[in-house]
This record gives sequence, C-alpha cells and structure tokens, in this order.
Amino acid sequence: KQEVTQIPAALSVPEGENLVLNCSFTDSAIYNLQWFRQDPGKGLTSLLLIQSSQREQTSGRLNASLDKSSGRSTLYIAASQPGDSATYLCVTGGGGADGLTFGKGTHLIIQP
Amino acid sequence: NAGVTQTPKFQVLKTGQSMTLQCAQDMNHNSMYWYRQDPGMGLRLIYYSASEGTTDKGEVPNGYNVSRLNKREFSLRLESAAPSQTSVYFCASSEAPSGSSYEQYFGPGTRLTVT
Repeated sequence: KQEVTQIPAALSVPEGENLVLNCSFTDSAIYNLQWFRQDPGKGLTSLLLIQSSQREQTSGRLNASLDKSSGRSTLYIAASQPGDSATYLCVTGGGGADGLTFGKGTHLIIQP
Repeated sequence: NAGVTQTPKFQVLKTGQSMTLQCAQDMNHNSMYWYRQDPGMGLRLIYYSASEGTTDKGEVPNGYNVSRLNKREFSLRLESAAPSQTSVYFCASSEAPSGSSYEQYFGPGTRLTVT
C-alpha cells in the first residue's frame, strides 16, 4: 500500500525566504503527483500537477519536482510571503479512481 | 463558475440521527469523490463514482451510503450517525478517474460533529 510522508510537519520562517517542502512515497508506480494548498477551515486548492513522465512543473513562485525512481517530490517556494501561510499537501495518483494517497501535510507559517 | 459546492457547511448531529451531505459540480466532470479528514491523518476516501451510474467503496466506507443522482450531484448519507464520524467531509470531482493526468477539484468541506 502506498504511503506518503511529508517532512517537516510544521515550518515557520521569516518573510522573504526561499523554502523547500519535502514529500516521499513508497511505491514509485505512480501516474501523477499533485501538490495542494489548504487554508484553515477551507477546502483544498490544487497548486501543481506533475505527470509521471514529467520532472517538474512551475507556477509563479512555485516549483515542484518529481523523482519517481527515488520516490521523492519537492515543492520550492521562492520569496515567501505571509499569504503563503497554509498547509501544503502532497498527493500521489496511483491509477484508478481510488488511487489517490494523501500525505498528512506540512503546516507552513510565514512570519511578517 | 462555482466549481464544487457542498451543503451544509456545518452540522451537529446526535448519535443515531441520519443526514445527507450534498455535493454538486458544474464543470461537467465524470468522476466524483467523498473524503473525510481527521486531525493528524491524511484525507481518506469514503466512496467514489468514476462515472455517472457507478459508485464504489473507498478506504473507509462503513457507516456511509452514496448516491450519484446525475452527472452533477453526488450525495453522502449517514444512516445512523456515530461519534466516530465526527470529521470534515470533502467532496471532489475530476474530469476522469485519478490515475490519468487530470486534477481533482475540491469543495469547501462540511464540518460534522456527532455528539
């Protein structure tokens, strides 16, 4: 059974810093990997989707990489802002409608 | 464009009561999902509907039933609520079942407390 682990569980950094959130997964036979953002009391917002054939995806200040062979993904946030404060979830897609596995998230706080 | 909508946003039930959580999407997606999110745990799939007319159990289906009313709507029913069902429930939809490149879009959630 796929397991997705996110490190660190929580992170607090000053505004302006570049930071990296880590995700590891046990089964490399994934179809895609998705990073979500969840704000307190809100739903999940998709940030980036990386297909299994891709190595990375970029959107604005966000860059996500995927290394299937090592079972790792990273989410890089450049020039962090207080508005980036949220929980970030890593989710692997393993095939089939029930194939998503969610990590427990990294709770990120950006200090003004 | 409303995306995925869920009603109600909050609900308090007593043990043994029943209720139905409603979900609708306006993106013409084929697949819809119900998840629950509990503190310290990742989201877990309750039921899903890969396409209109089909439903399947996910990881934690016990105590729940679902109905795919039409392509837009997918409801989750608790027949006899238990305190263990206190959770945040999320509905999601995607153009195709996961495993393809298609993204999942989530609703805002329903916060359910069972006393």
